[in-house]
Amino acid sequence: AQKVTQAQTEISVVEKEDVTLDCVYETRDTTYYLFWYKQPPSGELVFLIRRNSFDEQNEISGRYSWNFQKSTSSFNFTITASQVVDSAVYFCALSEEGNAGNMLTFGGGTRLMVKP
Amino acid sequence: DAGITQSPRHKVTETGTPVTLRCHQTENHRYMYWYRQDPGHGLRLIHYSYGVKDTDKGEVSDGYSVSRSKTEDFLLTLESATSSQTSVYFCAITDREEYEQYFGPGTRLTVT
Repeated sequence: AQKVTQAQTEISVVEKEDVTLDCVYETRDTTYYLFWYKQPPSGELVFLIRRNSFDEQNEISGRYSWNFQKSTSSFNFTITASQVVDSAVYFCALSEEGNAGNMLTFGGGTRLMVKP
Repeated sequence: DAGITQSPRHKVTETGTPVTLRCHQTENHRYMYWYRQDPGHGLRLIHYSYGVKDTDKGEVSDGYSVSRSKTEDFLLTLESATSSQTSVYFCAITDREEYEQYFGPGTRLTVT
């Protein structure tokens, strides 16, 4: 069975600090996909990134970067020079190929608060 | 932004009453999903659809039914609402199973 764990339920930082959100996953499949979503206070879910299990390259997009390590089953998300607008709940999610319409299994989320 | 709308956006209903939530998409995507979001649980899949009249159960399907008579509409029905179904419901769509899912704005349902 697939499982996603986000051990950090809440993180508080001061603006301009770097912050890393941890995501650990469990799966028996060799082909799977990992995602990060952002849920700002307004409530919508915003897609950030998708990674497939065969692509372990780290990715950088502006102040955001992702570190995918199959050896530790982790897909961590780092925000560099955090800003108040980064305050949100962040969800890591996993889907396995061929499993129930590739349903997303979500972690419990990490609430990030960036203080000015 | 993906063209996904949900209606109603907010609803308060009494225990035992039927409730139907609607998800409408303008993207012509094949796959549609209903999730519920509860504190500490992230989002959990209720039902999904892989085409018109093709649906299947998700992780937390008890007490829910769905229908999809047109590509653009996916309905979620609570036959007899219970307080445990108080939640925020999100619809999602995707063009291919392995791709990212795009979410609607959510429906906040309160069962009193």
